[in-house]
Amino acid sequence: KQEVTQIPAALSVPEGENLVLNCSFTDSAIYNLQWFRQDPGKGLTSLLLIQSSQREQTSGRLNASLDKSSGRSTLYIAASQPGDSATYLCAVFGGKLIFGQGTELSVKP
Amino acid sequence: GAGVSQSPRYKVAKRGQDVALRCDPISGHVSLFWYQQALGQGPEFLTYFQNEAQLDKSGLPSDRFFAERPEGSVSTLKIQRTQQEDSAVYLCASSLAGGVGGYGYTFGSGTRLTVV
Repeated sequence: KQEVTQIPAALSVPEGENLVLNCSFTDSAIYNLQWFRQDPGKGLTSLLLIQSSQREQTSGRLNASLDKSSGRSTLYIAASQPGDSATYLCAVFGGKLIFGQGTELSVKP
Repeated sequence: GAGVSQSPRYKVAKRGQDVALRCDPISGHVSLFWYQQALGQGPEFLTYFQNEAQLDKSGLPSDRFFAERPEGSVSTLKIQRTQQEDSAVYLCASSLAGGVGGYGYTFGSGTRLTVV
């Protein structure tokens, strides 16, 4: 059974800091991995999708990497801003989308 | 439409009441998924449709939960005899091709169900 774990559960950083969110999964037989952002009371916004054949994807200040063999992904956020404050969820797809518990990020001005 | 639309946005139900939650996926999206998100948790898979066919309902927590997508577009999640543990946000997502081939999921804003 696929299990997805995200570390840390919560993170508070000062504005401008670079940070890394971690995601690990137990079954490497996945088609892709997706990172989402969730704002309080809102749905999920897709940030980046990495196909199983890819190593990383970049969008603006965000960079996501995937090491399928070791069951790990990281989301790197450069020069963090208060507007980045949200919960970040990673999810792997191997027939259905399985989510981690999320990392709650707070960026202080 | 431009995105996945869910209604109602909020629903308060008395324990024992039946509720129906609606999802309008992105036009042309073949696959539709329902997730349940409890407070402070990640979304949990409930069920999956490809067009009108319900291919996976392994996540439905009990036989009080029922989902349908009769014409392969709009879907309804029905919960009968609601219990307090059903209180959660119910999220709907659609995808061009079931998530494979690099096509990701697009989520709606969810329906927050509170059972009192």
